[in-house]
Amino acid sequence: AQTVTQSQPEMSVQEAETVTLSCTYDTSESDYYLFWYKQPPSRQMILVIRQEAYKQQNATENRFSVNFQKAAKSFSLKISDSQLGDAAMYFCAYRSRIGAQKLVFGQGTRLTINP
Amino acid sequence: EADIYQTPRYLVIGTGKKITLECSQTMGHDKMYWYQQDPGMELHLIHYSYGVNSTEKGDLSSESTVSRIRTEHFPLTLESARPSHTSQYLCASSESGEMNTEAFFGQGTRLTVV
Repeated sequence: AQTVTQSQPEMSVQEAETVTLSCTYDTSESDYYLFWYKQPPSRQMILVIRQEAYKQQNATENRFSVNFQKAAKSFSLKISDSQLGDAAMYFCAYRSRIGAQKLVFGQGTRLTINP
Repeated sequence: EADIYQTPRYLVIGTGKKITLECSQTMGHDKMYWYQQDPGMELHLIHYSYGVNSTEKGDLSSESTVSRIRTEHFPLTLESARPSHTSQYLCASSESGEMNTEAFFGQGTRLTVV
């Protein structure tokens, strides 16, 4: 079974600074998808960014980018120019490309933005 | 905002009561999921469905049951609520197939059993 590990329960960053959230995963599959989801306080979980395992190029969405290291099974999220609205729980998630395609989540990282 | 809705948002209920948490989506998604999440903690998959009349248990054992009679509706039922069932329950849906499609989440139901 696939597992996802986020080793940073909490992180904080100054507004306008850059922060990196870590994620590692374990799988025997070669083709899969990785995601970062954001869960603001009392609000819906929303997708931040996704990465296809077969793509070598790291995904980027505006201020959000990932560092995908397939051999190391590492998938970190970098947030540039942090804003107060970025404060939330961030979850790393794994999904197989075939079969059940269940979404497996990590433990989450609570990100605080200091003004 | 995603077109997936959960009701109620908050529920406080006594031990032994039967409850049903509602989840509906208007996106025509075949796959639907129920996750259990304790405050500030990871999400655990408790049920999922590939489509109508198809449901399976997730990775975390749960005393709840689900049904999928209609594509858009995926309710979760607890026959006899206990304090150990106190948690947040998140419903999600996604398209089928091998496409890299995201899962959309409802706002969650925060259940407290007293």
